[in-house]
Amino acid sequence: DTEVTQTPKHLVMGMTNKKSLKCEQHMGHRAMYWYKQKAKKPPELMFVYSYEKLSINESVPSRFSPECPNSSLLNLHLHALQPEDSALYLCASSHWGGNPRGTQYFGPGTRLLVL
Amino acid sequence: TQLLEQSPQFLSIQEGENLTVYCNSSSVFSSLQWYRQEPGEGPVLLVTVVTGGEVKKLKRLTFQFGDARKDSSLHITAAQPGDTGLYLCAGARSGYSTLTFGKGTMLLVSP
Repeated sequence: DTEVTQTPKHLVMGMTNKKSLKCEQHMGHRAMYWYKQKAKKPPELMFVYSYEKLSINESVPSRFSPECPNSSLLNLHLHALQPEDSALYLCASSHWGGNPRGTQYFGPGTRLLVL
Repeated sequence: TQLLEQSPQFLSIQEGENLTVYCNSSSVFSSLQWYRQEPGEGPVLLVTVVTGGEVKKLKRLTFQFGDARKDSSLHITAAQPGDTGLYLCAGARSGYSTLTFGKGTMLLVSP
């Protein structure tokens, strides 16, 4: 099973709202990732968790707050977002180190619209 | 400077034609992945190549990893409308825990 699930599929929120995106995998992967993707562009890395600890934050604004409650779950908490934050948010997972190294499996994404 | 140069960025062809997408770099990658993505969906892994000179086939898709592990190509034979999508190459480098993505190739196959 190489499935990564994400909820919700679609989300519309105002700039004063607080919402959370959720991601789950049961492949035993110990690395999980959040990406932001604009239309027809490659995914842009936001955060990397390895063994439930934040290992990389790509200078993401504090209105995005990641959380990794356990090895299967990854959340992204959203607060006071801007319209330019509207995008497809992707979660991915992989073995840490990996064999073959680097193979990441992506979820279906959450389409976020900030009004 | 883009670390992983992907070309072409856009390709519009007729059903039945063949095409090749390229990813090139001056850096060595320990592995390289190819993904296909449909609008509003997440990237779906097509293949991972790890050995220099490796060739992998997936039905009408042929993937090649360069001998020096700096470049890769994806060849599609007899393209079908169902092949339409954004094709992404992504490489992993030794000592780095993240992937380097190419800019993507948007493929449109018309009936």
